[in-house]
Amino acid sequence: GAVVSQHPSRVICKSGTSVKIECRSLDFQATTMFWYRQFPKQSLMLMATSNEGSKATYEQGVEKDKFLINHASLTLSTLTVTSAHPEDSSFYICSAREDRDFYEQYFGPGTRLTVT
Amino acid sequence: AQSVSQHNHHVILSEAASLELGCNYSYGGTVNLFWYVQYPGQHLQLLLKYFSGDPLVKGIKGFEAEFIKSKFSFNLRKPSVQWSDTAEYFCAVNAWASKIIFGSGTRLSIRP
Repeated sequence: GAVVSQHPSRVICKSGTSVKIECRSLDFQATTMFWYRQFPKQSLMLMATSNEGSKATYEQGVEKDKFLINHASLTLSTLTVTSAHPEDSSFYICSAREDRDFYEQYFGPGTRLTVT
Repeated sequence: AQSVSQHNHHVILSEAASLELGCNYSYGGTVNLFWYVQYPGQHLQLLLKYFSGDPLVKGIKGFEAEFIKSKFSFNLRKPSVQWSDTAEYFCAVNAWASKIIFGSGTRLSIRP
């Protein structure tokens, strides 16, 4: 089946620094990828839709200057948390939609970000 | 706008009990429906999905769900739960080629 990977799986950074998270579709092309955020014991909240070769579409309330998304190729999207603060600590999950199948998304294992 | 409601926040059952988790969605058009499971410390996994056809969908690990269009519901069922079914369960919906919206999740605890 389709596999999505994320790197790193865990990252700890100091307040004020930036962190980049990668999301890769390993065996399929994904023009569209999605970034979610999950707080402890809560549901996944969609942050943005990432489209290869164009600007990401952010959900209401998500700061696009803080959460930079770059979808440079058909298999890679990156999320950069800029000037991170402790309140940005969360579990970030990406998903990818295979170009041949508009209906299903495949989820990555997630990245645990801790900002100290 | 699409939305998904999961009314059971935390369900506690004994092993071998039957399970039904409720899921209702709001969207007037054609939707695709999903149930995902997240085991403790693990990532999201697809349990089952409904796109079209038979409204009774069978998934992995003995789970099934029934799509009832008139009730805008997609409830998850399992006849006999096991301790290993302890997890968080998420219902999700997406309309035509759009983003997936998740429900708030139901935590399932199974007493051995």
